[in-house]
Amino acid sequence: NAGVTQTPKFQVLKTGQSMTLQCAQDMNHEYMSWYRQDPGMGLRLIHYSVGAGITDQGEVPNGYNVSRSTTEDFPLRLLSAAPSQTSVYFCASSYSGTGFSSSYEQYFGPGTRLTVT
Amino acid sequence: DAKTTQPNSMESNEEEPVHLPCNHSTISGTDYIHWYRQLPSQGPEYVIHGLTSNVNNRMASLAIAEDRKSSTLILHRATLRDAAVYYCITDTGTASKLTFGTGTRLQVTL
Repeated sequence: NAGVTQTPKFQVLKTGQSMTLQCAQDMNHEYMSWYRQDPGMGLRLIHYSVGAGITDQGEVPNGYNVSRSTTEDFPLRLLSAAPSQTSVYFCASSYSGTGFSSSYEQYFGPGTRLTVT
Repeated sequence: DAKTTQPNSMESNEEEPVHLPCNHSTISGTDYIHWYRQLPSQGPEYVIHGLTSNVNNRMASLAIAEDRKSSTLILHRATLRDAAVYYCITDTGTASKLTFGTGTRLQVTL
């Protein structure tokens, strides 16, 4: 298994440009999430999905859109990039299970380092 | 979401045990306690989790206080490769919604 893959690894955007960060997993996980990590900080949840066709907002959703048309893919779209969105973006996935779902571990991708000038 | 408190940084000598503390005084009865670590320039990596009983796996042990208001991650023999930021997280709901704090930066020296 490749696990969780993210592309691109690095990206530089100008203010106002849009782009899509790609995330894919091959573990047949129901749950997928996007986090951002600013320098010296912990991760903050942007959006998450509990299955294909179902998404919801996390702690910092403004300026980002997501959709989940397949189990495998969970792209994150930046609508109009701003310097405040300069960060490292991590995608994660986890098994849903049949019990209390927070008991399952999350698998994280290697991250996309985004700079907005 | 339950809040956790961890020391900003800790140091350890290689091949010695390390005890990383975490306070979570507002934890509810159904909150799991998760530990993740993040090596430099990598995504977070799962370490261990538990609910009430102490837990052991190949990476570490998790000791949970009887009142569940605190826990300790135990690395039995620290190596240089264990140098990372360790996050203690408590959360309910879906596994998609972990709330990360700033964690403890562990330095391991020879």
